[in-house]
Amino acid sequence: EVQLEESGGGLVHPGGSLRLSCAASGFTFSTYEMNWVRQAPGKGLEWVSYISSSGATIYYADSVQGRFTISRDNTKNSLFLQIDRLRGEDTAVYFCARGGEFGGFLAGPGTFDPWGQGTLVTVSS
Amino acid sequence: QSALTQPAFVSGSPGQSISISCNGTSSDIGAYDYVSWYQQHPGKAPKVIIYDVSNRPSGVSNRFSGSKSGNTASLSISGLQSEDEADYYCCSYRRINRRVFGGGTKLTVL
Repeated sequence: EVQLEESGGGLVHPGGSLRLSCAASGFTFSTYEMNWVRQAPGKGLEWVSYISSSGATIYYADSVQGRFTISRDNTKNSLFLQIDRLRGEDTAVYFCARGGEFGGFLAGPGTFDPWGQGTLVTVSS
Repeated sequence: QSALTQPAFVSGSPGQSISISCNGTSSDIGAYDYVSWYQQHPGKAPKVIIYDVSNRPSGVSNRFSGSKSGNTASLSISGLQSEDEADYYCCSYRRINRRVFGGGTKLTVL
């Protein structure tokens, strides 16, 4: 079964840092692009960052550029998100999500499947 | 980055059909056939129900369908059922190398 499990969330003071992890299982992690998507409490979904299967290509949303760093370790089937200089507006559930594949064919960019259950990051003094 | 525009609320009675619109621009929906739709029940992770505008993953009911015209994408749900009550989000690829979600639509089955 394809599974993604996030960890690393918690309560952090403004200006602090946090490293989120996403453990993948049930598929060949090294062959899939990955993403982070977040959801503030009671709000909608916001795409945060993308990393290619090899890790060579990385993109960020403008709202997190310069403060967030996405990375992956294909030897450990793991995805990471380093979050620095945290702000109140970063308070959200952070989901990791794989690029979609259906019937053996990769879906276009912007298709996320499956998703993990998310990890909550709360930024507060 | 401005989000795609969706109606905040939509409702329908069991058995009826509804449609949710997702308005974008010539830099996202209008430029690419990379629109996806997600269903999210309270406290759960989102689940993809439509990808690449109109494709439905295996296991998703054929009551769900997607389409696109110009800068607007649409999700249609026929034969509404109580379990369809959820939040729905559209998502599109946006030039250059971005992904953008809609603000979300809360569907109520009356």
